[in-house]
Amino acid sequence: GAGVSQSPSNKVTEKGKDVELRCDPISGHTALYWYRQSLGQGLEFLIYFQGNSAPDKSGLPSDRFSAERTGGSVSTLTIQRTQQEDSAVYLCASSLNTARDGSPLHFGNGTRLTVT
Amino acid sequence: AQKVTQAQTEISVVEKEDVTLDCVYETRDTTYYLFWYKQPPSGELVFLIRRNSFDEQNEISGRYSWNFQKSTSSFNFTITASQVVDSAVYFCALSERRGNEKLTFGTGTRLTIIP
Repeated sequence: GAGVSQSPSNKVTEKGKDVELRCDPISGHTALYWYRQSLGQGLEFLIYFQGNSAPDKSGLPSDRFSAERTGGSVSTLTIQRTQQEDSAVYLCASSLNTARDGSPLHFGNGTRLTVT
Repeated sequence: AQKVTQAQTEISVVEKEDVTLDCVYETRDTTYYLFWYKQPPSGELVFLIRRNSFDEQNEISGRYSWNFQKSTSSFNFTITASQVVDSAVYFCALSERRGNEKLTFGTGTRLTIIP
């Protein structure tokens, strides 16, 4: 499809397990973002990629969170030793240019992570 | 630092009424961009509009209109003759030309249209 694709759409995991969330951006979009949305809350910025580099990781909540992007395309967000407070919807977005240039972000449907 | 405030947490109106969603922003930059997004119950965030700081002209798109006022640092969104399909959470967002490479979102306004 032409939009941002995220998988899985839902993930239930036990506390302490590792999870990987995948994002496939719109073709040709150089900028990629991860945001987190907790129940009834706004969007919390996690990390920004330009190509394969991550110039802004300031939103990652702890060192249990990491992300990478390969080939200037697919990105993976990894959460190690998951905790219950990690339960949220993880949203990926891509844009043609960057937010500083005023490019709108195009979002995927998100991955709903539940840590039991 | 950039900040977006959406003071209205939840709004309910009867179908066909007009409704205005408020957005107030803070920025030290002279060049910035403002956005509105819609998040229907299905969950996907849908981009609605972008304005840059040099263009204060109001915009109308069908039943939607946006009022940008730099004097009050506001970018309000009005839906005319609301419909049930307008029920969603609406987010206002801000990015700065000299700021971080990210969009800063408000906490959203949940709009419910009562049939």
